[in-house]
Amino acid sequence: AQSVTQLDSHVSVSEGTPVLLRCNYSSSYSPSLFWYVQHPNKGLQLLLKYTSAATLVKGINGFEAEFKKSETSFHLTKPSAHMSDAAEYFCVVSSNFGNEKLTFGTGTRLTIIP
Amino acid sequence: SAVISQKPSRDICQRGTSLTIQCQVDSQVTMMFWYRQQPGQSLTLIATANQGSEATYESGFVIDKFPISRPNLTFSTLTVSNMSPEDSSIYLCSVESASYYNEQFFGPGTRLTVL
Repeated sequence: AQSVTQLDSHVSVSEGTPVLLRCNYSSSYSPSLFWYVQHPNKGLQLLLKYTSAATLVKGINGFEAEFKKSETSFHLTKPSAHMSDAAEYFCVVSSNFGNEKLTFGTGTRLTIIP
Repeated sequence: SAVISQKPSRDICQRGTSLTIQCQVDSQVTMMFWYRQQPGQSLTLIATANQGSEATYESGFVIDKFPISRPNLTFSTLTVSNMSPEDSSIYLCSVESASYYNEQFFGPGTRLTVL
């Protein structure tokens, strides 16, 4: 069984300040973890993924996430927010044990204040 | 990454009718997936479609309501049958990555409104 919890449904930050979107996961097996972004009226875009290699993962648009097994967390960060970062972000877990199904978190809406 | 298109991009339908959504991929893929995203909600997997076999449905979804076809390795359809306003959602198809089996790429979605 696997699940993912996004701890904040909404996050607001000022432009130029750091972004932190929190995600905790549960998985019976070694997990793969993903962050997807969904801009308004657009499809889902993969930001980054953790696949049991380096625990600090760098993605597109300056985002990165750190896999912490002891804390079962995979928080998404960005040093400086840009107006174009305003979107819905989904943390996703999948099992590495032959299960291709993705389990989505409930999403975090990121608002950027000018 | 794969390039995925969906048709229609949006539609407004009457209660009791059916709508077929098409998903086209620019490369051959073994597994395709159909998801539903209800308003303000996250994504829920409807079914997994492999070419040459019947789709596998998740709990809460049945073939009579959401029949799926997978005639070849680049195409799939999802039909939403006998629609009600509760079916108003975004429907997305996705495909597995060719380089990493747990990674999926998503189409742009079909926004369905049922009146």
